[in-house]
Amino acid sequence: DSGVTQTPKHLITATGQRVTLRCSPRSGDLSVYWYQQSLDQGLQFLIQYYNGEERAKGNILERFSAQQFPDLHSELNLSSLELGDSALYFCASSVGLAGVYEQFFGPGTRLTVL
Amino acid sequence: AQKVTQAQTEISVVEKEDVTLDCVYETRDTTYYLFWYKQPPSGELVFLIRRNSFDEQNEISGRYSWNFQKSTSSFNFTITASQVVDSAVYFCALSEEAGANSKLTFGKGITLSVRP
Repeated sequence: DSGVTQTPKHLITATGQRVTLRCSPRSGDLSVYWYQQSLDQGLQFLIQYYNGEERAKGNILERFSAQQFPDLHSELNLSSLELGDSALYFCASSVGLAGVYEQFFGPGTRLTVL
Repeated sequence: AQKVTQAQTEISVVEKEDVTLDCVYETRDTTYYLFWYKQPPSGELVFLIRRNSFDEQNEISGRYSWNFQKSTSSFNFTITASQVVDSAVYFCALSEEAGANSKLTFGKGITLSVRP
């Protein structure tokens, strides 16, 4: 158990819908990352937050947004869903900002868009 | 831009065989960090090791060992006396120090199957 929690574990929805994925980092970790794992793209970085502020963006679609709240939990919002958004979405956390800190991953949320 | 290449896609071995998973990386930074993660069939990503660019010492942890060679930009992972429980997808990843952007760039992963 990494200490990072993600809910829900599975999510099935329809095209055009909007969903919210939730992540609670390990106790004491200030940095939260979101990654998407799909068969064709592999594991890709989406976005990073540190202590409530957005710090880096990767290959995140404009239909996707995220935020980190004062209690440090984070939410990833996916809207106008398409079939291609079906993937495993991971949240990771680390204690600091720099690359020296290892990232611990949550169990993931498997999103299926029908 | 940073890049991680795991040329092997699938490896199948018989239990107790040794197996080496290759990882080659590209970066322009002088300070960077390399990682290996394991993704078992249950799906979670499990952290295995972190190595910084200034430490080329090999590391051994039980049946696992890692060989970091800056000259060839490689960070290979060897499992000695493999076991069925080692069956998983293994990812190599790179993080750069510059710009306080510590995102991980992953390779495509290597699927390891260990047969009894």
